[in-house]
Amino acid sequence: EAGVTQFPSHSVIEKGQTVTLRCDPISGHDNLYWYRRVMGKEIKFLLHFVKESKQDESGMPNNRFLAERTGGTYSTLKVQPAELEDSGVYFCASSQVQNSRNEQFFGPGTRLTVL
Amino acid sequence: AQSVTQLDSQVPVFEEAPVELRCNYSSSVSVYLFWYVQYPNQGLQLLLKYLSGSTLVKGINGFEAEFNKSQTSFHLRKPSVHISDTAEYFCASLRGSTLGRLYFGRGTQLTVWP
Repeated sequence: EAGVTQFPSHSVIEKGQTVTLRCDPISGHDNLYWYRRVMGKEIKFLLHFVKESKQDESGMPNNRFLAERTGGTYSTLKVQPAELEDSGVYFCASSQVQNSRNEQFFGPGTRLTVL
Repeated sequence: AQSVTQLDSQVPVFEEAPVELRCNYSSSVSVYLFWYVQYPNQGLQLLLKYLSGSTLVKGINGFEAEFNKSQTSFHLRKPSVHISDTAEYFCASLRGSTLGRLYFGRGTQLTVWP
């Protein structure tokens, strides 16, 4: 069974440009999460989808970030326009049932560098 | 506020030595605790979790952790490490009311030397 996949693995862009990150969760997983790790700091929650609905987006840093999950399958996270402080590793995770204690399976992350 | 503190950013040890990676949590309500490991170029993998019941939790790859409510700790231990255990380890907590949102510590890089 395929795990959580993320694309691209690395992205280098200039300040002001737009970047879209993609996450494909494990098939059948209704819960999808986005997290971010800025260098030297802890991994922080961004938002949580249950199927196509945003359950909790309290961790989104500002309105330059837009997450979507059309059809309740894969998700995209768009940053527009990107700023220097957006650099970091963006992780996606998914879990099987609507149970907050269920194991979250993580993807390898997308490393975003904004120059 | 809920937070997780990992007291050591780097832990170097020799192969076959025991290791303890420290984690303390703060929460005013019931909390669930996890340890994840990240090997190079891979995603986070769950090592073990404490939800309730026995305070000693056994996980994969010979790791175990003990939930200590009085000390608000959830330290990770392994009696004898291998070079393949070299990775970054993350302690995380979950509060039932926050619907799956994990709170992570800053991570501990474990390096095992031959």
